Amino acid sequence: QVQLVESGGGVVQPGGSLRVSCAASGFTFSRFGMHWVRHSPGKGLEWMAFIPYDGSKIYYADSVKDRFTISRDNSKNTLYLQMNSLRAEDTAVYYCAKDPGGLGYNYVDYWGQGTLVTVSS
Amino acid sequence: EIVMTQSPATLSVSPGERATLSCRASQSVNTYLAWYQQKPGQGPRLLIYGASIRATGIPDRFSGSGSGTQFTLTISSLQSEDIAVYYCHQYKNWPPGSFGQGTKLEI
Repeated sequence: QVQLVESGGGVVQPGGSLRVSCAASGFTFSRFGMHWVRHSPGKGLEWMAFIPYDGSKIYYADSVKDRFTISRDNSKNTLYLQMNSLRAEDTAVYYCAKDPGGLGYNYVDYWGQGTLVTVSS
Repeated sequence: EIVMTQSPATLSVSPGERATLSCRASQSVNTYLAWYQQKPGQGPRLLIYGASIRATGIPDRFSGSGSGTQFTLTISSLQSEDIAVYYCHQYKNWPPGSFGQGTKLEI
């Protein structure tokens, strides 16, 4: 069965950096687009970024553009989110999420369990 | 940005009863609408996409309807394991799409 396991969350100071990862299994990772979605008490569920199966055309939410970078390593079945210049409002549970298509149907058919990122001094 | 509004915020239903959850879009999203279920400590689970298509493995007591700006998720006979928060999600206007704030279903 499809499994998405996030790791790398933690506490980071404002202005700091963090990389979260997502290990995928149970499906052919290299054939599907992947998303990062976050959930915070203040803003609810919020889509962050999408990368297609081949990494060709990447999209970001305006709130994280130029600060966050989504990437993937199809040889390792792993998705990444590099987060720089972190702010208090980036505090959230970050979910790795699978798209049902390679280039993006833009909804999610499987979600990970999430990893908590807390930005605080 | 399309704003998704869910009602009610909390719904109390007895086991075996029907539960009806609503989602309204601030402008038309056609049928680019998904519903997710989230239980404590877990990631969301896809229930419905395309407004009315059940996802793989979802029991037929879950059904979705609507198009344009008004959508409904119906649970025909509530089971105890259905207690969760339910979110709607429009993906017509993507990126970024947008989610509703959730309806908490309780017994």
